[in-house]
Amino acid sequence: DVVMTQTPVSLPVSLGGQASISCRSSQSLVHSNGNTYLHWYLQKPGQSPQLLIYRVSNRFSGVPDRFSGSGSGTDFTLKISRVEPEDLGDYYCLQSTHFPYTFGAGTKLELK
Amino acid sequence: QVQLKESGPGLVQPSQTLSLTCTVSGFSLTSYNVHWVRQPTGKGLEWMGVIWTGGSTDYNSALKSRLSISRDTSKSQVFLKMNSLQTEDIATYYCARESRRLWVMDAWGQGASVTVSS
Repeated sequence: DVVMTQTPVSLPVSLGGQASISCRSSQSLVHSNGNTYLHWYLQKPGQSPQLLIYRVSNRFSGVPDRFSGSGSGTDFTLKISRVEPEDLGDYYCLQSTHFPYTFGAGTKLELK
Repeated sequence: QVQLKESGPGLVQPSQTLSLTCTVSGFSLTSYNVHWVRQPTGKGLEWMGVIWTGGSTDYNSALKSRLSISRDTSKSQVFLKMNSLQTEDIATYYCARESRRLWVMDAWGQGASVTVSS
């Protein structure tokens, strides 16, 4: 199985500040069709996960441009600029290039 | 409006079978894949399996021997059955649809909490 190593585990931030989360995979996430299926989700307390970024860098409908994704191959990053209170929660990366799909262990974004 | 809603018994006895239903609205099961993902309380997410638009399935190999996913397209329902439940199966179980255009799970149900206890 592809292991997704997500860091940091916890990320204290100040409102209005910037946050960066890393996700590294144990093998390349480039599919044979040339696409890279690495996605980012936010799970707010008591809620189900919500899609933020799909295929590395594409913002899902309604996601503010404060969220951006980048990376390639095995190394990916989610950046959040101008952090707002509604951004707090657990962030997960997901790879769906290889079976079984696998998630990172999560990063808790919390107030400093 | 796209909706997915999980339902089923919240309590299952050890060694018994878990049966959950995911009822969807706002889209067709013949146009979107549906996945099951679970999350033990306070822990991370685990992908369990998928039923594709054509009706075939794929499972996490760690669960494959115990897991079955099926559907009734006329009722817009997807079913999860997992046997031989143990305490390590205590979790919230989510169904999520996968867009064939974006190839990502873009809508999730609220989750169904399952406890294993006698």
